[in-house]
Amino acid sequence: AQKVTQAQTEISVVEKEDVTLDCVYETRDTTYYLFWYKQPPSGELVFLIRRNSFDEQNEISGRYSWNFQKSTSSFNFTITASQVVDSAVYFCALSENKWEAAGNKLTFGGGTRVLVKP
Amino acid sequence: GAGVSQSPRYKVAKRGQDVALRCDPISGHVSLFWYQQALGQGPEFLTYFQNEAQLDKSGLPSDRFFAERPEGSVSTLKIQRTQQEDSAVYLCASSLAPGGYTEAFFGQGTRLTVV
Repeated sequence: AQKVTQAQTEISVVEKEDVTLDCVYETRDTTYYLFWYKQPPSGELVFLIRRNSFDEQNEISGRYSWNFQKSTSSFNFTITASQVVDSAVYFCALSENKWEAAGNKLTFGGGTRVLVKP
Repeated sequence: GAGVSQSPRYKVAKRGQDVALRCDPISGHVSLFWYQQALGQGPEFLTYFQNEAQLDKSGLPSDRFFAERPEGSVSTLKIQRTQQEDSAVYLCASSLAPGGYTEAFFGQGTRLTVV
């Protein structure tokens, strides 16, 4: 069975500090996808990044960066120079690469609430 | 519409009442998912449609939960004889095609409170 663990339930930082969110996953599949979503107070989940299991290159997008390490089954997310607008709950998720019945259903972690104080 | 639309945004039901939650996916999206998100937790998968076919309902917690997508677009999640443990946010997501490489777009959810 798949499992995603986000050990940090809440992180509080002061604006401009960097913050790293940890994500550890478990799967028996050799091909899978990892995702990060942001959930602001409005409720919808906003897609941030998708990474497939064969691509271990780290990625940077503006102030966001991701560190995928297959050897430790981790997919960590860093926000550099945090801003108040970054305050939200962030979810890490895992999906199998199935083309038939299961579609691409996501297994989510419990989420990490990030509070950025001015 | 531009995104996934869910209605109502909020629903209060008395225990034992039946409720119906609606999801309008992005036009043309083949895949549609329902998730249940309890307070302070991550979303959990309920069911999956590929067009009008319900291909996976392994996450539905009991036979009181029923979902349909008769014409392959709008979907309805129905909960019969609601109970307090059904209180949660119900999220709908759609994606263009099956397969883990396609991004799922989520609606804002329906917050159900059973009193």
